[in-house]
Amino acid sequence: EAQVTQNPRYLITVTGKKLTVTCSQNMNHEYMSWYRQDPGLGLRQIYYSMNVEVTDKGDVPEGYKVSRKEKRNFPLILESPSPNQTSLYFCASSDRDKYALQYFGPGTRLTVT
Amino acid sequence: AQRVTQPEKLLSVFKGAPVELKCNYSYSGSPELFWYVQYSRQRLQLLLRHISRESIKGFTADLNKGETSFHLKKPFAQEEDSAMYYCALSVSMDSNYQLIWGAGTKLIIKP
Repeated sequence: EAQVTQNPRYLITVTGKKLTVTCSQNMNHEYMSWYRQDPGLGLRQIYYSMNVEVTDKGDVPEGYKVSRKEKRNFPLILESPSPNQTSLYFCASSDRDKYALQYFGPGTRLTVT
Repeated sequence: AQRVTQPEKLLSVFKGAPVELKCNYSYSGSPELFWYVQYSRQRLQLLLRHISRESIKGFTADLNKGETSFHLKKPFAQEEDSAMYYCALSVSMDSNYQLIWGAGTKLIIKP
């Protein structure tokens, strides 16, 4: 089944404790992206990647890191999480030629205390 | 600057009534617009795109360049249409591509 998976789905952590949210897709998509969803603000892009070893900042990259060493994986790293990073995070992927037709993961709900 | 505005955070209508979810955009280039939907406990998914000019689940959306709008419409709402709806604008700059998202409208269909 073609899909985007994220792990973990739920995470509660403390300020400053490094964490990684994994994202994997099995559709051979070049384009991958991370978003955060906050009430009243909709979806805001954190980082995106057009292909392996190519990443770019989105609208709200501060406090986040990403890497794209393999085509299928695009982990999101929070080196020192803070409470304002409490949010619902979505990973998405798409063909480069149809980048706007994005397939989304199920979401990861992160709480930083 | 590119921007997508969905003026209604919440829209509540009765079953069988017409629905219109508003979306306005700001973009100097040729716009390509989309509607995505997120049903309760499901993933965000593409509903329709203006290029295809299709009707999906009874919904249609017409791009109005003069009014810079891409409103989503359905003549007769059904309870299963209750969901979060996002309008998105596709932009490209210097070979980089992004989707610019609106804040979303929560649609509630009352029985």
